[in-house]
Amino acid sequence: NAGVTQTPKFRVLKTGQSMTLLCAQDMNHEYMYWYRQDPGMGLRLIHYSVGEGTTAKGEVPDGYNVSRLKKQNFLLGLESAAPSQTSVYFCASRSTGGSYEQYFGPGTRLTVT
Amino acid sequence: GENVEQHPSTLSVQEGDSAVIKCTYSDSASNYFPWYKQELGKRPQLIIDIRSNVGEKKDQRIAVTLNKTAKHFSLHITETQPEDSAVYFCAASRPSGTYKYIFGTGTRLKVLA
Repeated sequence: NAGVTQTPKFRVLKTGQSMTLLCAQDMNHEYMYWYRQDPGMGLRLIHYSVGEGTTAKGEVPDGYNVSRLKKQNFLLGLESAAPSQTSVYFCASRSTGGSYEQYFGPGTRLTVT
Repeated sequence: GENVEQHPSTLSVQEGDSAVIKCTYSDSASNYFPWYKQELGKRPQLIIDIRSNVGEKKDQRIAVTLNKTAKHFSLHITETQPEDSAVYFCAASRPSGTYKYIFGTGTRLKVLA
C-alpha cells in the first residue's frame, strides 16, 4: 500500500496563477483533509470531506476550492495564487472505523512569488 | 471558536532526562487527543493518542495524561534520546461529531547529547 500520496512535491507559482494539488489514498478511507503548515502556526485545516461528493470548510478556506469526485482522491485548487498562500500543504485521511488516526501524505511545498 | 494551546514552543533537555509538553483545549465536547511527531522535512506521524474515557496511556517511553475537568492533556517522554528531537503537535477532536482536528502550534524538542 502506498498510503497517502501527494502530487506535486514542490511547486513555484507566480501571483495570479492557478494550480491543483492532488491527494490520493489507497486505504479506502471515507474522510480526507487538507491542511496548511506555516512556521509557528501548526497545522490549520483548509477543507475536509466526509465522503465522495461532499466537502466542507475548515478554519482557513478562503482562496481555496476542493473537490472529491472519487473516494480515493481529494483535490485542492488555488484559482489565483497569492504570496500569503506560500506554505507546506498536507493531505490526510482516516477511516470511519474504530481508529481515529489520521494518516498524512508527504506534503507539497508551494512558493508563490 | 475551537482552540488548542500548546506549551512550550521550544524545549531543550539533556539526553536521558524527561520532557513534558502541555496542551489545553477549549471545546469541552472533544473526546480524542492525538500526539504527532514531525521530523524535519517529513510528514506528521502519530506517536500516541488518548480518548476521553481514559486518564492515562503509556507506550514504552512515552505517556499521555488527560484531565477532562481542566481541559488539558500532556505528553511525557522519559529517558530522552537524540532521535526524539523533532517537533511535536497535540490535537483535539470530536471524530464522530465535527470530524475536525484542531492542532496546537507545536513544540520543538531538542535532546542534547
